[in-house]
Amino acid sequence: DAGVIQSPRHEVTEMGQEVTLRCKPISGHNSLFWYRQTMMRGLELLIYFNNNVPIDDSGMPEDRFSAKMPNASFSTLKIQPSEPRDSAVYFCASRAGLYMNTEAFFGQGTRLTVV
Amino acid sequence: GNSVTQMEGPVTLSEEAFLTINCTYTATGYPSLFWYVQYPGEGLQLLLKATKADDKGSNKGFEATYRKETTSFHLEKGSVQVSDSAVYFCALIGNTGFQKLVFGTGTRLLVSP
Repeated sequence: DAGVIQSPRHEVTEMGQEVTLRCKPISGHNSLFWYRQTMMRGLELLIYFNNNVPIDDSGMPEDRFSAKMPNASFSTLKIQPSEPRDSAVYFCASRAGLYMNTEAFFGQGTRLTVV
Repeated sequence: GNSVTQMEGPVTLSEEAFLTINCTYTATGYPSLFWYVQYPGEGLQLLLKATKADDKGSNKGFEATYRKETTSFHLEKGSVQVSDSAVYFCALIGNTGFQKLVFGTGTRLLVSP
């Protein structure tokens, strides 16, 4: 398996624009997580899904952020409108089973810069 | 809720020195414990894990023992290399209900030749 695949790897956009980050989890994994990493706040969990259903979105910073998982092999994280403070590295991770004690596998991340 | 506390970094060592990075946790029940490593410009990779008390996880010369009595999972390596320079994250996941992976703040390790 190719692992968790995120795209794009880098994104530079202007303030106010819509940004869409994409994630393809490992085949067979039914839990998916979106994290944001910054120097100031470290690694923050934004939202996680189980069997394509959002379980906890309490980490989503505000209404400008939204995430979807239309099927088991694809998820998006959208920011509209984007702001400079959204600049960060966004990671997607997947794992097999929300109840099992299995590890999560991370993608390479998307480095977002909002200017 | 569940939480993980790691020692502040950076930890600066010379090559071949002994490494300890402390990690303690707060959780109900019997969580599983993990150490992840992040090399510059990359995502997090699982380094080792332990799923029950007294288990020892090990990989690439790193070890950590699940100590329920002290709620700790300290990472150790007998002789570090320059290539071990990275950020290390301690994490846990609970074993009841819907569970998310909870991370510590990360500890940066810098190893000089």
